[in-house]
Amino acid sequence: DTAVSQTPKYLVTQMGNDKSIKCEQNLGHDTMYWYKQDSKKFLKIMFSYNNKELIINETVPNRFSPKSPDKAHLNLHINSLELGDSAVYFCASGRLDRDTEAFFGQGTRLTVV
Amino acid sequence: AQSVTQLGSHVSVSEGALVLLRCNYSSSVPPYLFWYVQYPNQGLQLLLKYTTGATLVKGINGFEAEFKKSETSFHLTKPSAHMSDAAEYFCAVSEMGNTDKLIFGTGTRLQVFP
Repeated sequence: DTAVSQTPKYLVTQMGNDKSIKCEQNLGHDTMYWYKQDSKKFLKIMFSYNNKELIINETVPNRFSPKSPDKAHLNLHINSLELGDSAVYFCASGRLDRDTEAFFGQGTRLTVV
Repeated sequence: AQSVTQLGSHVSVSEGALVLLRCNYSSSVPPYLFWYVQYPNQGLQLLLKYTTGATLVKGINGFEAEFKKSETSFHLTKPSAHMSDAAEYFCAVSEMGNTDKLIFGTGTRLQVFP
């Protein structure tokens, strides 16, 4: 049973389209995250949600909108996709002050053409 | 503000040789420190972590790391490299007691030659 699962694993789309990436965790964690890994493998946090409430928004463009219907799910919707959005997006869950660990999904490789 | 520096974007070792991946951090409060490994086309897997207590931390796959406050370092070592250790390794820091984010270093790609 996968602890943090993301779908889809690969996503190829044209500029200007709108797409969503789904994430689900079955670990019972309160906090979920979205990280972006660029072409140079650099990982940077985008959003953090705690019990469905936005905690961190790291100056991500408004085209990116996370949605957390419940604390086990954190989806990422991206409007008007641009070439520069091409990256691997990782969902994670955890509670750093208690679990002291973040569990990552397998990633979604987004390619904008 | 917290930050992590990983010295050496690429490290190459022979199978059986010592692995040393360097990580230095900057934090104004006691840090939590992590090493994650990423195999090709995979997610990140936790190797080991330091929170409090013993400064020498043992992780999975024979890796260990030592927290040295005076040097603000958390270097990752393994006595004998195996071909299967070839991967990307990330050091990360978070603030103790803070449900905040992980700040990652830029990663070190480990190559292991036969």
